[in-house]
Amino acid sequence: NAGVTQTPKFQVLKTGQSMTLQCAQDMNHEYMSWYRQDPGMGLRLIHYSVGAGITDQGEVPNGYNVSRSTTEDFPLRLLSAAPSQTSVYFCASSSRGMAGGDYNEQFFGPGTRLTVL
Amino acid sequence: RKEVEQDPGPFNVPEGATVAFNCTYSNSASQSFFWYRQDCRKEPKLLMSVYSSGNEDGRFTAQLNRASQYISLLIRDSKLSDSATYLCVVNSGPGGSYIPTFGRGTSLIVHP
Repeated sequence: NAGVTQTPKFQVLKTGQSMTLQCAQDMNHEYMSWYRQDPGMGLRLIHYSVGAGITDQGEVPNGYNVSRSTTEDFPLRLLSAAPSQTSVYFCASSSRGMAGGDYNEQFFGPGTRLTVL
Repeated sequence: RKEVEQDPGPFNVPEGATVAFNCTYSNSASQSFFWYRQDCRKEPKLLMSVYSSGNEDGRFTAQLNRASQYISLLIRDSKLSDSATYLCVVNSGPGGSYIPTFGRGTSLIVHP
């Protein structure tokens, strides 16, 4: 199993450009999510999905779109990049759709380091 | 006020020392609690879950205090390889769905 994979590893964008960060998992996990990590801020949830066709907003969704057409893939789209979106982006998956107190370890991808100039 | 708070540290300790971290959370309806470890420029990885009765995994002990709304992580006999950032994660959310909230992390540096 490859686990959770993310591409690209590094990306530099100019303000106003759009792009898609790719995330895929081969563990048949129902739950997938996107986080951004900034210095001193910890990980913040952008969007999440509890299954194919179902997505919802997290703590910091503005400027990002997601879709979940298959169980395996959960791409994150930046619509019009801004310098404030410079960050490290992590995708994660879990074997349990978030239900009542169940243990649900999240498995993280290696991250995408994005710089917006 | 952030929902999950941790002392950022760094905690600088010698090998063999015992070190403890606390994490406080604000949502009394929180249901699941975890400690993750993150090495520099790497992804977080699960260290251990935190159960109501407390649990131990080798040199690591996790405790939950619901009354005071905090969880703790105790590391005994620290190793150089324990140097990392330790993230507290609390799962809570409305209507039966559980949304993980991460603390900002506590940095641990173990020196010879």
